[in-house]
Amino acid sequence: GAVVSQHPSRVICKSGTSVKIECRSLDFQATTMFWYRQFPKKSLMLMATSNEGSKATYEQGVEKDKFLINHASLTLSTLTVTSAHPEDSSFYICSASERGYGYTFGSGTRLTVV
Amino acid sequence: QKEVEQNSGPLSVPEGAIASLNCTYSDRGSQSFFWYRQYSGKSPELIMSIYSNGDKEDGRFTAQLNKASQYVSLLIRDSQPSDSATYLCAVNLDGNQFYFGTGTSLTVIP
Repeated sequence: GAVVSQHPSRVICKSGTSVKIECRSLDFQATTMFWYRQFPKKSLMLMATSNEGSKATYEQGVEKDKFLINHASLTLSTLTVTSAHPEDSSFYICSASERGYGYTFGSGTRLTVV
Repeated sequence: QKEVEQNSGPLSVPEGAIASLNCTYSDRGSQSFFWYRQYSGKSPELIMSIYSNGDKEDGRFTAQLNKASQYVSLLIRDSQPSDSATYLCAVNLDGNQFYFGTGTSLTVIP
């Protein structure tokens, strides 16, 4: 089945620094990938839709200048949290879909900003 | 109106019982339906997909779809403590965009 790899699984960074998270589809091409954020005991919140070769589509309330998304190839999307602050600490999850066959999620990245 | 609605629970069932999870959706054009399980601190994992009306069984799991009533459910037979997790319903409209419910928390009591 479809496999989505996400890296790193856990990162701790200092306030004000930037963190890059990678999401790769390993055995299929994904023209679209999705980035979610999940706070403890809360549901998934879609942040943005990453489109290969074009700009990402951000959900309302998500700052595109803070959460930079690059989808330069059919198998890789990156999310960069710029100038991270403690309130950005969360569980970030990417996903991709083989058309119509459901989402496959990456293993997630636990970001802690200190 | 939310696209996909689930009762957030928590739902508690004794070990060995049947757990019933329900999901309703608003768009009649929805084409495919999925159930995901998410353990605390982990990513969701796909457990069932269903595309046509009726029941689909996979081991202890049965997905039920009723497009006329716009609901999809998941039954877990012989529930085990390891089934304790949050279950997310997802609905696909056009092959690309998926909508998730907020999830139902299930606890199976030994």
